[in-house]
Amino acid sequence: GQNIDQPTEMTATEGAIVQINCTYQTSGFNGLFWYQQHAGEAPTFLSYNVLDGLEEKGRFSSFLSRSKGYSYLLLKELQMKDSASYLCAVGDSNYQLIWGAGTKLIIKP
Amino acid sequence: GAVVSQHPSWVICKSGTSVKIECRSLDFQATTMFWYRQFPKQSLMLMATSNEGSKATYEQGVEKDKFLINHASLTLSTLTVTSAHPEDSSFYICSARLPEGSVYEQYFGPGTRLTVT
Repeated sequence: GQNIDQPTEMTATEGAIVQINCTYQTSGFNGLFWYQQHAGEAPTFLSYNVLDGLEEKGRFSSFLSRSKGYSYLLLKELQMKDSASYLCAVGDSNYQLIWGAGTKLIIKP
Repeated sequence: GAVVSQHPSWVICKSGTSVKIECRSLDFQATTMFWYRQFPKQSLMLMATSNEGSKATYEQGVEKDKFLINHASLTLSTLTVTSAHPEDSSFYICSARLPEGSVYEQYFGPGTRLTVT
C-alpha cells in the first residue's frame, strides 16, 4: 500500500529552528513536495525534491533520502506567521500526489 | 505565477439540493485539474482527476453520480454536488496542472467551504 507518515503536531518557539520529518512508502516515486496550509486556506507550494540532498530556499530547507524513504522540512528563524499545517506529498508512478495527514506547527512567543 | 480561482468561496445549502463549484485557471490553460476534499483536521483526499474534453477519473469510493465533474474548457472545471447531505459538508479544493504535464506544475485554488444544513 501507499503510506506517508509525519507527526501530527509540533510546537516550537519564535526565532528557533524546527525540523518536520516525513517518511513514505509509495508505488513509484516522482518527487516529494512540501506544502504549507494555513487554517481555512488551500495549500501553497513550498518545495520539491526529486534527487537526494538538501534544497535551501530562504528560511526553509527540504531534504530527501530516496533510499531511506525519508524527507524533512527545516524551518529557521521561526516567525509567528509560520504557524500552519505542513503537508508532505509524494508524486507516485501515475503522477498523482499522495498526501500525508499534515503536521500542525504551533509557534509560541 | 499561475493563478487558480474557485467560486464560491463558501456556500450553505439545504439537504437535498445541488451545489456547483467552479475552478478556473486564470492565466494558463490547464488540461488536467484535480478535485480534493478535506475534512477538519484531516489531509487532502483526491476525489477525481478531470481532463479537458473527457470524462473524469474518480478515486475509489467517490460516487461519480453524486459528484459530477465537467471540464468543458482548458480554463474551467466544475464540480456539482448533487442531492447534498450534511456529511458532504467539507472544504473542497481544486488544483490545476500546466499542459507540460509535470507533476511539479500543480497550482491550488483557494478552496470552497460547503456546509449542508
